[in-house]
Amino acid sequence: DQQVKQNSPSLSVQEGRISILNCDYTNSMFDYFLWYKKYPAEGPTFLISISSIKDKNEDGRFTVFLNKSAKHLSLHIVPSQPGDSAVYFCAAGDNYGQNFVFGPGTRLSVLP
Amino acid sequence: DGGITQSPKYLFRKEGQNVTLSCEQNLNHDAMYWYRQDPGQGLRLIYYSQIVNDFQKGDIAEGYSVSREKKESFPLTVTSAQKNPTAFYLCASSSQGELAGANVLTFGAGSRLTVL
Repeated sequence: DQQVKQNSPSLSVQEGRISILNCDYTNSMFDYFLWYKKYPAEGPTFLISISSIKDKNEDGRFTVFLNKSAKHLSLHIVPSQPGDSAVYFCAAGDNYGQNFVFGPGTRLSVLP
Repeated sequence: DGGITQSPKYLFRKEGQNVTLSCEQNLNHDAMYWYRQDPGQGLRLIYYSQIVNDFQKGDIAEGYSVSREKKESFPLTVTSAQKNPTAFYLCASSSQGELAGANVLTFGAGSRLTVL
């Protein structure tokens, strides 16, 4: 049973538009969330995080929104650029744990 | 430059052979992790270590072994008992003793293992 779900395996967006990647989780103990970006044959790189005390965190073109009651978070990329084309992983953890549970990833393609 | 070095990047193994993947970090991180990535699946935790000479099983530890003799090093051995070892393996590290807000995982570039 997947504790972290990313129900869209892939997403295509036009350059300059907004990309919205979604993530759902089932474990109510999770209170810290990370987004990673991964290119083929490379390790994931950290993008942005959010803790449960916030409902929004912004870093440049990237914004993460958290809805704790719905156990849902989303990553917004505005404006999308071709270099954003990659697989995006959502990860969830609890504040005192050492392990994060990763979702299956969403492949984003930004079309020029 | 601080970071995590995984080697080899590509490895081929015959069935029945053990193989060891190397992971070295110079970030002075206490915790180290091994994940496995398969197509269409998230990163699944194999083993993790929070301190030297101590490690714990993750979700899919069967057929794998690790050691943590030095803070900088966390090698993973894929044994012949692992039924489906072909995968992309990722090593990561994080600092310890801080709130999870600071425990961002830093990943290596990965090692792709193919069993022939």
